[in-house]
Amino acid sequence: GQQVMQIPQYQHVQEGEDFTTYCNSSTTLSNIQWYKQRPGGHPVFLIQLVKSGEVKKQKRLTFQFGEAKKNSSLHITATQTTDVGTYFCAGNSNYQLIWGAGTKLIIKP
Amino acid sequence: DAGVTQSPTHLIKTRGQQVTLRCSPKSGHDTVSWYQQALGQGPQFIFQYYEEEERQRGNFPDRFSGHQFPNYSSELNVNALLLGDSALYLCATARGPANSNEKLFFGSGTQLSVL
Repeated sequence: GQQVMQIPQYQHVQEGEDFTTYCNSSTTLSNIQWYKQRPGGHPVFLIQLVKSGEVKKQKRLTFQFGEAKKNSSLHITATQTTDVGTYFCAGNSNYQLIWGAGTKLIIKP
Repeated sequence: DAGVTQSPTHLIKTRGQQVTLRCSPKSGHDTVSWYQQALGQGPQFIFQYYEEEERQRGNFPDRFSGHQFPNYSSELNVNALLLGDSALYLCATARGPANSNEKLFFGSGTQLSVL
């Protein structure tokens, strides 16, 4: 069946370091959405990418959608403690959202 | 403007019992999707309701059923509970029938524990 693989599962960073998570789909996606889930919370929508090769920025967050619309990435520059949480991608294929397993961002003490 | 509300927030059941979870969508939203999220995992799509009908279904057994009311609120029913049904159940709402093109607004979830 359709799958969206997301890596890594965890990323430990020092505050101020960068963070990146990657999603790869087994099928071409019509769009991809990114969500953030804080510990103990629920997923919150961050952004949607629709066009091939699209790049969007939200302050320190940069989102990319691959040329083939099968992969996407989220990059956070200079992480802060408020960035802690799990980041999920969700790809839209045949009008169904297929979720990645998430990447947990952990700030080292 | 109320967001997505779910009830109850926590629930403890025993194996074999039945449970009903409730969701009220964000104002202006008419599509409701239900997700199961096990600890440390991503949300798994259960089903979606629009115009009081189940429109899409994920890979969940018939023990999972739902309903949508004329006011767009929704219920998720799980029969013959198994230990593996223990999870956070999330309701997500959006506008329109093909809501995977719209951003989802999630409720805070119902934490179900099956003993």
